[in-house]
Formats: sequence, structure tokens, C-alpha cells
Amino acid sequence: KNQVEQSPQSLIILEGKNCTLQCNYTVSPFSNLRWYKQDTGRGPVSLTIMTFSENTKSNGRYTATLDADTKQSSLHITASQLSDSASYICVVSGVMDSSYKLIFGSGTRLLVRP
Amino acid sequence: DAGVTQSPTHLIKTRGQHVTLRCSPISGHKSVSWYQQVLGQGPQFIFQYYEKEERGRGNFPDRFSARQFPNYSSELNVNALLLGDSALYLCASSPSGWGNYEQYFGPGTRLTVT
Repeated sequence: KNQVEQSPQSLIILEGKNCTLQCNYTVSPFSNLRWYKQDTGRGPVSLTIMTFSENTKSNGRYTATLDADTKQSSLHITASQLSDSASYICVVSGVMDSSYKLIFGSGTRLLVRP
Repeated sequence: DAGVTQSPTHLIKTRGQHVTLRCSPISGHKSVSWYQQVLGQGPQFIFQYYEKEERGRGNFPDRFSARQFPNYSSELNVNALLLGDSALYLCASSPSGWGNYEQYFGPGTRLTVT
């Protein structure tokens, strides 16, 4: 079954600290992996997109890694800010049953406290 | 440039009724995707349309249908509404229907079924 599992489910950190969010997937075949940030009540905003040949990609204080062999990805947030409080969603896409599909994880809810 | 727009913002319907949600993509984008996000969970992929043709379909019943118009706007239709259809419905647009293109999400339509 094609699945995307994220951990932890929720996380609380102090402002200025770093954190790492995890994503494991069983989606096959694999096209790309995306990380999104979603503020409460708003649509997701793309942070990174990686193909199977990419190991790491950065977007400011956000750095995503991908190990296509172990089917694991991580999102590292450096020097967290209060505005980083949001849900972070991992999404894996590919062509399954002759149809292009995106499989979303349930997200990690991050709360950054002052 | 305007982002992705969705209408209406909020909607309340009764079980058994039908609903139509609308989405206008970013100018120049030819692909529109629809997602359902139940409270506390990640979005689930419903449909993707590109150049007015369905390119992807998630695991949703036939009560869900969609179409894309010549101006690339899109409608999502849901028949015989159930309580479980209550969710935030998100629309996203991208320049192309495949590959590693960014997806830009709209603010969503909050549907409540009573």
C-alpha cells in the first residue's frame, strides 16, 4: 500500500533552537517528494521539491534530505522562529495505476515558543 | 498577479444535497488539482486536471467529479453529501500537469455538512 508516515506527530521547541522532522514512505514508483508548510486555516505553501536523484535541497532556514534507497526524508529547521509554528506536510508523488497521484502524510505540528 | 482563488469561502449544506466548488488558477497555469483536508489530517488528493483532461484521480467515490474549462478554471462537484464530506477543500494550480513543478494552493473552501 502506498503510504507516507511522518514523525513526530507534534513537536514543541524554543525559539532559536533547531529541529528535524521525519518522513518515511512506501510509495512506488516514486516521482518526487515535497515538503509543505501549512498555517492553520490556510493552504499549504511549498518549501522544497526533490527528485529521486537529489539528496539535499535548501530553502533559507529549511533543509530537506532524501534517501531514495531507504525511502526516508527529513526536514531540518535551523534557528527556529515563532513564525515557523505550523504543520509541515510531506508529500510523495508518482504514477500509480496509470494515474498521477500525490500521497500526503498527516503532517507534523510544530509549535515554537518564545 | 493574483494567486489561486476559490469560491465560496464557506458553505453549509444538508446531507443528500449537491455542492459545486470553484477554483481559478494563477494566470498561465494549465493544471488544477483538488484536495480534501479533514480537520487534523493532511490533505488527500482527489483529482488533477491538465488542459481540460483528467490526469490523476485519488481514492474517492463516484459522487465526486470535476471538470476544467477552456480558461483553465475548474469545478469540483460532490453529489449526495454525507456528514463525512465536511472538510476544507483545497485547489492548487501549476504550470504543467507532470513533473517537478511547484503547486500553488488557494485558501480553500470550508464545507460543513449537517
